[in-house]
This record gives sequence, C-alpha cells and structure tokens, in this order.
Amino acid sequence: QVQLLQSGPEMKKPGASVKVSCKASGYTITSFGITWVRQAPGQGPEWMAWISPYNGNTNYSQNFQGRVTVTTDTSTSTVFLELRNLRSDDTAIYYCAGGIRYFEVWGTGSTVTVSS
Amino acid sequence: EIVMTQSPATLSVSPGERATLSCRASQSVSRNLAWYQQKPGQAPRLLIYGAFTRAPGVPARFSGGGSGTEFTLTIGSLQSEDFAIYYCQQYNNWPPSTFGQGTKLEIK
Repeated sequence: QVQLLQSGPEMKKPGASVKVSCKASGYTITSFGITWVRQAPGQGPEWMAWISPYNGNTNYSQNFQGRVTVTTDTSTSTVFLELRNLRSDDTAIYYCAGGIRYFEVWGTGSTVTVSS
Repeated sequence: EIVMTQSPATLSVSPGERATLSCRASQSVSRNLAWYQQKPGQAPRLLIYGAFTRAPGVPARFSGGGSGTEFTLTIGSLQSEDFAIYYCQQYNNWPPSTFGQGTKLEIK
C-alpha cells in the first residue's frame, strides 16, 4: 500500500525557515514524482513545487520567488520541502502528493504556523 | 497562470437528489482537469481525472464532463458521505498546476 508519511507540526517566527519531510513507503520512491501542495485555512490548494526522485529534476512555482527548495534522499525514501523567509501568510497545511499532473496519493499533511 | 473559478461557492442539496458543480478555466485546458473531494481534517481525494475518468474506487454516481474552459462534476443520488468540499484542478499548463477555490456541498 502506497503511503506518504509527513513530519509533525511546526511553529515558526516570521523570517525563519522550515523544512518539512515526506517519507514514502509501499513503493520505490523513484517510480514517480512528488509534488508539494499547500492549503491555507479556508482556501483552495496551491501548487508549490515538484521533484523527480529518479533524477532530481525540479520545477517551482514563481509565486514563491525563490524561497522554496525541494530535495530527495533516496536512501531513506524521503522528499523534503524547505521554505525560507517565512511570513504569516505561509501559515498552512503542507501536503506532499504522488504524481506530476493529478494526485491519487496524498501525504498526511504537515501544519506550519508562522506567528511572532 | 490559469485561474480556475468554481460555482457556486456553496450548494445546498437534499440527500437522494442530484448535484451539479461547475468549474471554469480562464483559458482552455483541453481535458486536463481533475476533481477532488475534501472532508474536514483530511487531505483531498482524487475523484476524476482527464475531465471524465473516475479514479479507482470512486462510485459510479460521480461523473465528470466538459472540455476547454467549462467543466462539470455531477453527483447522482447524494449520499450522506458526499457532503464535503469539492475542488477542480487544471494540469494542462504546468507549472504551476492551479486549483479552484472550491464548492461546499451541504445538506439542505
């Protein structure tokens, strides 16, 4: 059974960085790409970034103006999302999802709260 | 970036009745459109991709239609478990893929 298990909740101050993890199980992580999507309270999902764990290729949304980096550690079947220079409007649930276009498998979600 | 607009924002329907949700794209996305269902405290669940193909395990009462800029999700004979928020997503112009703001389907 394909599962994506994410790291726990984070509380950060404005200007700080956060790194969220997504550990895959039940399949070979290099089989398909991982997309990061976030969802602010009461809002629709927002696409952030994609990585191919197979070759490390990435794509990022311009909406994050270079503040985001996604990486992979294939030895632990884990994908990471780092978001820098946090603002209050980065408060959201961050999901990893399996796939490149549409997403059949979703992670457990990681809540990130940014507050002074 | 393609803007996805869903209507209505809230739809009140009685159990057993049919519900039709709409999604409009700011430019053509061909049939590269997906629908998701989300319940409180849960991640979105894929229902439809390719505008009309049901994901594995999705009941036949869910059907998708449309192409280009106008899409619909129809839920026939609503069950109690169908009351949730529904999102459309285009993946024709990527990156970024974009989602709508959702339609909340509530019990009338």
